[in-house]
Amino acid sequence: KQEVTQIPAALSVPEGENLVLNCSFTDSAIYNLQWFRQDPGKGLTSLLLIQSSQREQTSGRLNASLDKSSGRSTLYIAASQPGDSATYLCAGGGGGATNKLIFGTGTLLAVQP
Amino acid sequence: GAVVSQHPSRVICKSGTSVKIECRSLDFQATTMFWYRQFPKQSLMLMATSNEGSKATYEQGVEKDKFLINHASLTLSTLTVTSAHPEDSSFYICSAYPGGNSYNSPLHFGNGTRLTVT
Repeated sequence: KQEVTQIPAALSVPEGENLVLNCSFTDSAIYNLQWFRQDPGKGLTSLLLIQSSQREQTSGRLNASLDKSSGRSTLYIAASQPGDSATYLCAGGGGGATNKLIFGTGTLLAVQP
Repeated sequence: GAVVSQHPSRVICKSGTSVKIECRSLDFQATTMFWYRQFPKQSLMLMATSNEGSKATYEQGVEKDKFLINHASLTLSTLTVTSAHPEDSSFYICSAYPGGNSYNSPLHFGNGTRLTVT
């Protein structure tokens, strides 16, 4: 059974810093790995999706990597801004007919102006 | 595009009553929808997979008679919390893959429903 964990649980950085969020998963037979952002009291917004055949994806200041052999994914945020403050969640897809996502515990990011 | 709409956003009900939450895919068809539950400061827990025209698939430990799911059309799934109790108070979120593509299309989420049972 897939288990997904994220460290750190919380992170506070000054504006402008580059930072890395970590995600670990137990089952390397992952279908895809997705990163989401969640603002307080809101649903989830998709940030990046990495297919199992890929090693990384980039969107603007965000870069996500996937290493299936080590069971790890990282989300790199460059030049952080106060607007980046949110909870970041990674999720592993198990494939199959529905590709259910199993979510990590999340990292609460605060970017201080 | 690919919008998932969830209603209501907030609901307060008395213990013992039932509450229905609607999840609609506004601009795509969804044969499958996923219902998640989130407790404060915790991650999302998958409750069930809703299948259009057939029974939902519930995750282990989720009471199907407590959380009734109906997927009546390709754009609507509903979750009914029956005989609600205070411990059912939580944030419920639905989601779907646009066009059923789960490999290179991300999961799209509604904005969630905050349920408070008094």
